[in-house]
Amino acid sequence: NAGVTQTPKFRVLKTGQSMTLLCAQDMNHEYMYWYRQDPGMGLRLIHYSVGEGTTAKGEVPDGYNVSRLKKQNFLLGLESAAPSQTSVYFCASSYLLEGAFAGANVLTFGAGSRLTVL
Amino acid sequence: DQQVKQNSPSLSVQEGRISILNCDYTNSMFDYFLWYKKYPAEGPTFLISISSIKDKNEDGRFTVFLNKSAKHLSLHIVPSQPGDSAVYFCAASALGDSNYQLIWGAGTKLIIKP
Repeated sequence: NAGVTQTPKFRVLKTGQSMTLLCAQDMNHEYMYWYRQDPGMGLRLIHYSVGEGTTAKGEVPDGYNVSRLKKQNFLLGLESAAPSQTSVYFCASSYLLEGAFAGANVLTFGAGSRLTVL
Repeated sequence: DQQVKQNSPSLSVQEGRISILNCDYTNSMFDYFLWYKKYPAEGPTFLISISSIKDKNEDGRFTVFLNKSAKHLSLHIVPSQPGDSAVYFCAASALGDSNYQLIWGAGTKLIIKP
């Protein structure tokens, strides 16, 4: 049971280059997310998706694009990388609890992708 | 404007003692809170949660306490073990929020000394 898999785990880019991070989940979760984590800060949401074919902006979407063509995959793209995008990126997927805590969200994360932009 | 704050970047505790990690929030609409644990080079993993209808939730060595009037929650680990050394994140959500978004604290690094 792989859970959430992110590729690549590490990448070094030059300013202005483009790249795509791939996230795949095998839990049949509807919701998927991309976060970035920077030193001294909590996880910040970049973009998310509530289902196949849908995407929405999170807290820090500028400079990123996403696509969810298949339910199990969520791609994060950087069209023109900048040093400010040096970070660790986490993908997550989730289901929503039902019953008494309907709407509560429990995320399963991938191992992270460390991106350095020179 | 940080809506979820973990004011202690790090905490060092002797093995076998109690570890207490704190989290404060400002948004009174938050009604569901979660703790995640993160080891280096891994993603965060869900640890324990609590709803605002409760003030305490236990799971083995882990207990989360919620004080709604003070907008404060804490995670107690008793007894602390070396494997508990990790970064702990507090997260909050509003169940009525149709986006079901989590707001995260910056994390507290817990170090368990042998």
